[in-house]
Amino acid sequence: EDQVTQSPEALRLQEGESSSLNCSYTVSGLRGLFWYRQDPGKGPEFLFTLYSAGEEKEKERLKATLTKKESFLHITAPKPEDSATYLCAVQAPQGGSEKLVFGKGTKLTVNP
Amino acid sequence: DGGITQSPKYLFRKEGQNVTLSCEQNLNHDAMYWYRQDPGQGLRLIYYSQIVNDFQKGDIAEGYSVSREKKESFPLTVTSAQKNPTAFYLCASSTGLAGSLGPFFGPGTRLTVL
Repeated sequence: EDQVTQSPEALRLQEGESSSLNCSYTVSGLRGLFWYRQDPGKGPEFLFTLYSAGEEKEKERLKATLTKKESFLHITAPKPEDSATYLCAVQAPQGGSEKLVFGKGTKLTVNP
Repeated sequence: DGGITQSPKYLFRKEGQNVTLSCEQNLNHDAMYWYRQDPGQGLRLIYYSQIVNDFQKGDIAEGYSVSREKKESFPLTVTSAQKNPTAFYLCASSTGLAGSLGPFFGPGTRLTVL
């Protein structure tokens, strides 16, 4: 069964304190790994898609990387507005479907 | 503006009632999805549709029904058979093509059973 585990469950940082969020996955034939940001009471906002080991994507203070077993979301010099829950999802072929399997998320709090 | 709209934002249901959640997209996406989100759990797939007039059950389809009569619309009905319907419901869409971005999500509907 495809599984996605995100760690830590919660992370509290001071403004400017860089860190990384982890997404470990077990799938047969990864087609894509997705990162989303979700604010309370809102729908997830798409951040990145990664397709193959070694791939990296960047957006402002965020950088996502991918290996064969895990993905990291690096946050450089975070600001309070980066506070949110970050979701990771993987997509693997399942009878032609495009089902995504989501982790439970990491809740990030950045204090000023 | 292109995007996904969901309505209503908040919905209250009495036990034994069926309710329908609306999802509309103007992104010209072929694939649409319904997810359910509960506190402390990951998003779980209820139903998905890769093309008009076709849809498949996800992991937790019991007590739910959908239709896909138009490309832009994918309404979800929560029936009285759903034992614990209080949750945050999210609709999403994507092109359905390998290598594409997304799926992209709507703003969600919070359903509460009274």
